[in-house]
Amino acid sequence: EVQLVESGGGLVQPGGSLRLSCAASGFIFTSSWMTWVRQAPGKGLEWVANIKEDGSEKFYVDSVKGRFTISRDNAKNSLYLQMNSLRAEDTAVYYCARDLRFFNYWGQGTLVTVSS
Amino acid sequence: QSALTQPRSVSGSPGQSVTISCTGTSSDVGGFNYVSWYQQHPGKAPKLMIYDVTMRPSGVPDRFSGSKSGNTASLTISGLQAEDEADYYCCSYAGSFTLVFGGGTKLTVL
Repeated sequence: EVQLVESGGGLVQPGGSLRLSCAASGFIFTSSWMTWVRQAPGKGLEWVANIKEDGSEKFYVDSVKGRFTISRDNAKNSLYLQMNSLRAEDTAVYYCARDLRFFNYWGQGTLVTVSS
Repeated sequence: QSALTQPRSVSGSPGQSVTISCTGTSSDVGGFNYVSWYQQHPGKAPKLMIYDVTMRPSGVPDRFSGSKSGNTASLTISGLQAEDEADYYCCSYAGSFTLVFGGGTKLTVL
């Protein structure tokens, strides 16, 4: 059974940093693109970033470029999102999802709140 | 990276059919056959309903179907059931390994 479990969310002040993690199991992690998608409270879904199977290529939505870094540790079957210079508009539930073009598997999400 | 355009809400009675549109540009919806649709119930993670414009994952009822014409993709739900009431999001590949979602449509089953 495919499982994706996010962690690391919480309350952080504007300008602060947070690192999200996603533990993957039930599939061959090293053969899968991985993606972060977020959803602000009461708003729609937004694609944030993705990373190639071997971590060699990474892509971001314009609004997080230079502030967020996606990474993975294939030895630990884990996906990460390092978020720096956080802004109020980054407040959202962050989901990790498997694959590149469409997402058949999602985690339960972790809430990030950016507020003073 | 502008969001795809969806109607804010649609509604239908049980047994009826509804169609949700998703309009983009030639750089996303119109340029690739990589449109997917997600159903999201309150407080839950999204669920994949359609991928690659018309394909249905295993376990999704055949009441759900997808299509595309030009820069507009559509999700049609036939034989509406109460449990179909949810938010629906389209998503398209936008080139250069990036994706874009629609703003979401709230489906109400009357």
